[in-house]
Amino acid sequence: EAGVTQFPSHSVIEKGQTVTLRCDPISGHDNLYWYRRVMGKEIKFLLHFVKESKQDESGMPNNRFLAERTGGTYSTLKVQPAELEDSGVYFCASSRDRGLLNTEAFFGQGTRLTVV
Amino acid sequence: QKEVEQNSGPLSVPEGAIASLNCTYSDRGSQSFFWYRQYSGKSPELIMSIYSNGDKEDGRFTAQLNKASQYVSLLIRDSQPSDSATYLCAPNRGKAAGNKLTFGGGTRVLVKP
Repeated sequence: EAGVTQFPSHSVIEKGQTVTLRCDPISGHDNLYWYRRVMGKEIKFLLHFVKESKQDESGMPNNRFLAERTGGTYSTLKVQPAELEDSGVYFCASSRDRGLLNTEAFFGQGTRLTVV
Repeated sequence: QKEVEQNSGPLSVPEGAIASLNCTYSDRGSQSFFWYRQYSGKSPELIMSIYSNGDKEDGRFTAQLNKASQYVSLLIRDSQPSDSATYLCAPNRGKAAGNKLTFGGGTRVLVKP
């Protein structure tokens, strides 16, 4: 079974530019999460998709961030325009929906974003 | 106060010894507790989950949960150099809250041969 895949692994962009991160979850996983770790801080939740629907986007920092999940498959996270404080590692995770049971969330390798 | 507190370490243990990692959390609504291991530059990998008070053992790992004290710990027995990594404690509030994880800052463990 292929794991969670994220593209690109690294991205260096200038302040004001646009960057789009992509996440391919494990096939069959309805839940898709985006998390972010900025330097020296904890990994923080950004948002949660169930299939193509945004379930919770309470962690999104501001309206410069836009996440989509086309057809309930892969997801993109666009930052436009990027600011210096957006630098960090962006993780994607996916999990199955098993009713009331908690399920393991599998993480991707992350995208390291550097805004200069 | 941080939602999840962990000693950042590094926790240095000799090979073969027991590594003891602690985690406290502030959200009393937390229902499930996860320990992730993260090697440098790699993705977090789930190694233990615990839902009820008490101990849960899986191989060389034992998780301990005390909800009244809002405390969860991880013991690594017979520590190996390959256990050197950052260990992340992550509670969640369950499906009603989307099973989203709240991470601590992690404890870095160094196992010395």
